[in-house]
Amino acid sequence: NAGVMQNPRHLVRRRGQEARLRCSPMKGHSHVYWYRQLPEEGLKFMVYLQKENIIDESGMPKERFSAEFPKEGPSILRIQQVVRGDSAAYFCASSPWARQFNSPLHFGNGTRLTVT
Amino acid sequence: GENVEQHPSTLSVQEGDSAVIKCTYSDSASNYFPWYKQELGKGPQLIIDIRSNVGEKKDQRIAVTLNKTAKHFSLHITETQPEDSAVYFCAASGAGNQFYFGTGTSLTVIP
Repeated sequence: NAGVMQNPRHLVRRRGQEARLRCSPMKGHSHVYWYRQLPEEGLKFMVYLQKENIIDESGMPKERFSAEFPKEGPSILRIQQVVRGDSAAYFCASSPWARQFNSPLHFGNGTRLTVT
Repeated sequence: GENVEQHPSTLSVQEGDSAVIKCTYSDSASNYFPWYKQELGKGPQLIIDIRSNVGEKKDQRIAVTLNKTAKHFSLHITETQPEDSAVYFCAASGAGNQFYFGTGTSLTVIP
């Protein structure tokens, strides 16, 4: 029973390039969350999606960042024109129920983005 | 919005001793409080959770207590082992709200 799968595990991009982070939720889970973690800091919420819908993107920067969760395939977090400040670990989590039911989040092992 | 504070930020204990990590929250509407363990290079893993209709919950060497009046909850690890060394995060969530995480406690168990 595979858990939440994220790839790549490590991603290096030069300033100005695009970064694409992928997340496949646990089987049977249709709710996906993206979090960002800076060194020695907690997890900061970015966006909450259900299949084909963005439910809450209040934590995501208005520019350069976008997320999707298509009907088929993984959820994608896309960062355009990356800057050094985007360097962080990005974690995806999934849950079986909608957020209002407070179901536990199951996290992947993250993608560590380094912008040079 | 919710504000979750976590203390201490670092904690060292001798193997076999107990470890206690405390969190406070600000939103009285929060009703779900999970704890996560994050090992180096990995994602956070849920270790125990508690809902606001319960005051205490135990799972082997791990327990969580919740004081709704004071708006604080704590993680207790007894008989600590070296493999308990990790970063622990508390979180709080209310109906319809997102999860708010504490800033983490780095626990070191000294053999």
